[in-house]
This record gives sequence, C-alpha cells and structure tokens, in this order.
Amino acid sequence: EDQVTQSPEALRLQEGESSSLNCSYTVSGLRGLFWYRQDPGKGPEFLFTLYSAGEEKEKERLKATLTKKESFLHITAPKPEDSATYLCAVGTSGSRLTFGEGTQLTVNP
Amino acid sequence: DVKVTQSSRYLVKRTGEKVFLECVQDMDHENMFWYRQDPGLGLRLIYFSYDVKMKEKGDIPEGYSVSREKKERFSLILESASTNQTSMYLCASRLGGAGASETQYFGPGTRLLVL
Repeated sequence: EDQVTQSPEALRLQEGESSSLNCSYTVSGLRGLFWYRQDPGKGPEFLFTLYSAGEEKEKERLKATLTKKESFLHITAPKPEDSATYLCAVGTSGSRLTFGEGTQLTVNP
Repeated sequence: DVKVTQSSRYLVKRTGEKVFLECVQDMDHENMFWYRQDPGLGLRLIYFSYDVKMKEKGDIPEGYSVSREKKERFSLILESASTNQTSMYLCASRLGGAGASETQYFGPGTRLLVL
C-alpha cells in the first residue's frame, strides 16, 4: 500500500529562520512527487513536481529535493506570507495521487 | 494558467437532500478528480474520470456518484446527504494521455455543511 508521511505536523518559525519540511514515502512505482501549498479555506496550489532521485526545483524562497525514500521542502529566510499548510503527494499507477496529511507552517514576524 | 472552478464556495443542506457539486476546467484536460478533505484524514479520493462518460471509483465512493457528460465539467452527486458528508470537497484536473505530467490542478473547494 502506498504511504506518505509528513513531518513535523506543525512548525513555527521566526521570520528569516530557515528550516525544512520532510515527506517520506513508500510506493510501488513512483510517478512523481508533488508539493502543494494550501491556505486556509482554499484549494491546494501546485508548487513542484519531482520525478527522479537527485532532482531539485526552486521557486522564490522554496527549494524541493528528492531522494529514493523522501523529499524535503527547504524554506530559506521565510516571511509571514509563507505561512500555510504544505502538502506532499506521490503519483502512483492509474494517475492517482496519494497525499500526506500536511505540515502546517506558521512564520511569525 | 490552468483554471479549475467550483460552483459554490459554501453550501448548507439538510439531511436527505440530493446535492450537486459542479466543477469546470478550462484547459481541455482529460482527467478530472473529486476529493474530500477532513482534519486528520487528509485528502481522500472519491471518484475520478479519465474522459467523457468514463468514471472510476476512488477510495471512498460510498454515498456518492458522478457525472461527466462534457469534457470540461465533472459533477459530484450526493444522492441523500448525511451529516457525515460534511466536509471540504475539492475538484482537480490533469492533462491526461501517454507521457503527460501527473500534476493535478485544484479548484478553490466547496465547504459543505449537512444539517
């Protein structure tokens, strides 16, 4: 059974304090590792897709990396507007995505 | 930009009512999906559709049905709403086809309250 585990469940940072979110997975036949950002009461917003170990992608203060068992979302010098829940998902057979429960990030000014 | 829209942001219904949730995408995507999102349970797949008039059950299809008569529109139907169907409902779409990205794009969500 495909599984995605995100840690920590919640993270509080001070503005400018860099950190990383973790997404570990077990899946038979990975067809992509996806990161989304979700603001309260809204739908998930697509951030990154990673397909193979060693791949990295960046967008503003965010960088996603992928190994064979986990992915990290690195947040460099975060700002309060980065506060959101970050969701990780893996693509499996049949075009399905299996989601983790998310990491709720709060960045205090 | 991919745009996925959902007919209502908030909906309040009574137990036993038939409820229709509509989703429209404007990017000619073949695949469409319905999820529900609950605290502590994450996103769970209800139904998905590979193409017009095609549908597949997801992980939690009980109490739901779907309709896809046109490529751009995917409807979720609660045949007889129950209080345990109170949730956030999210629609997503994906390009589809061989070699296409697996990335799904989400709509804004419909928060449904069943009284």
